[in-house]
Amino acid sequence: KNEVEQSPQNLTAQEGEFITINCSYSVGISALHWLQQHPGGGIVSLFMLSSGKKKHGRLIATINIQEKHSSLHITASHPRDSAVYICAVSGNSGYALNFGKGTSLLVTP
Amino acid sequence: SQTIHQWPATLVQPVGSPLSLECTVEGTSNPNLYWYRQAAGRGLQLLFYSVGIGQISSEVPQNLSASRPQDRQFILSSKKLLLSDSGFYLCAWSAPWDTAYGYTFGSGTRLTVV
Repeated sequence: KNEVEQSPQNLTAQEGEFITINCSYSVGISALHWLQQHPGGGIVSLFMLSSGKKKHGRLIATINIQEKHSSLHITASHPRDSAVYICAVSGNSGYALNFGKGTSLLVTP
Repeated sequence: SQTIHQWPATLVQPVGSPLSLECTVEGTSNPNLYWYRQAAGRGLQLLFYSVGIGQISSEVPQNLSASRPQDRQFILSSKKLLLSDSGFYLCAWSAPWDTAYGYTFGSGTRLTVV
């Protein structure tokens, strides 16, 4: 089973700060996913990466396949970014995701 | 466009009672379907996945079961709930032609067993 580790576990930032959340995994993958879970529990898929970098609005996700590491960056953070951010990987055998435990982000005004 | 429906949103059930959670997908055919559970303070854990009607694979032994009676319908059941079954249950689907395709999650069911 692929072990997925996220850091930090909890993060508090002031509005406008640049935020980085890290994810590392133990074995080869077919893709890495960044997910956002709001307090109500619903989960939204932010990015799916297999190499390089993707950008959507103020969110940027990068992955280094050789180092088995990915980062999620939030530029100009805003209180509405407060949520749990979850890293998950899909393995080469396919089908299911292995999840990290999530990073709880709180952005204060 | 593809959508996924999951219900109910919240459920409080007594220990020993049965459970049935339903998930349906619209706008796609032959999706891969998944049930995940998130226990309090823990990460998401895969319970079951299905690649076709009647085909169910279980990842974790437990008193839960899953069924896929139709192509786009996935049901999570229990005959007798335990306190440890409390948690947040999520249904998801992914495209079968590419296992690296993005996942779409339902809105989840928060189950409290009392």
